Amino acid sequence: DSGVTQTPKHLITATGQRVTLRCSPRSGDLSVYWYQQSLDQGLQFLIHYYNGEERAKGNILERFSAQQFPDLHSELNLSSLELGDSALYFCASSLRDRGNTIYFGEGSWLTVV
Amino acid sequence: AQSVTQLDSHVSVSEGTPVLLRCNYSSSYSPSLFWYVQHPNKGLQLLLKYTSAATLVKGINGFEAEFKKSETSFHLTKPSAHMSDAAEYFCVVSGYSSASKIIFGSGTRLSIRP
Repeated sequence: DSGVTQTPKHLITATGQRVTLRCSPRSGDLSVYWYQQSLDQGLQFLIHYYNGEERAKGNILERFSAQQFPDLHSELNLSSLELGDSALYFCASSLRDRGNTIYFGEGSWLTVV
Repeated sequence: AQSVTQLDSHVSVSEGTPVLLRCNYSSSYSPSLFWYVQHPNKGLQLLLKYTSAATLVKGINGFEAEFKKSETSFHLTKPSAHMSDAAEYFCVVSGYSSASKIIFGSGTRLSIRP
């Protein structure tokens, strides 16, 4: 158990809908990262937050947004969902914003039908 | 700039034989290097990490990796493969500069033959 908690574990939704994925980092960690993993594109970095502020953006679509709240949990919002958004979405956390070990949650499986 | 290259997308070994998963990195700064393992339908689990201490790093499940600065490599090894080692392995580089990001390799799928 890494200490990173993600909910929901599985989610099935229709195209055009909006979903929110939630992540609680390990106790004491200030950084939260979001990744998307799909069969055709592998592991893709989406976004990094540190202590409530956005630190780095990766291959995140405009239809996707994220935030980190004062209690350090984070949410990833996916809107206008398309079939191609079906993937495993990982959250990870680390103590600081650079050079640290990152710990992954078990992921949220999103299936868009 | 940082980058990481996993030289093999798929490695297959027989149970009981040695495992070698290759990783080369590029970094303008002293990097932190990690290996993660992902079993099917699971999250990524940290195997081991190098952070400028001993160059030979021991991890969980009998795995170890050696940091070789001259070769810019961080290969993962295990003396004797077990069926439970079948998984995807990711080499990761991170740094301490303000411009650094966490860079994942493309992954190596390890298969174990009975």
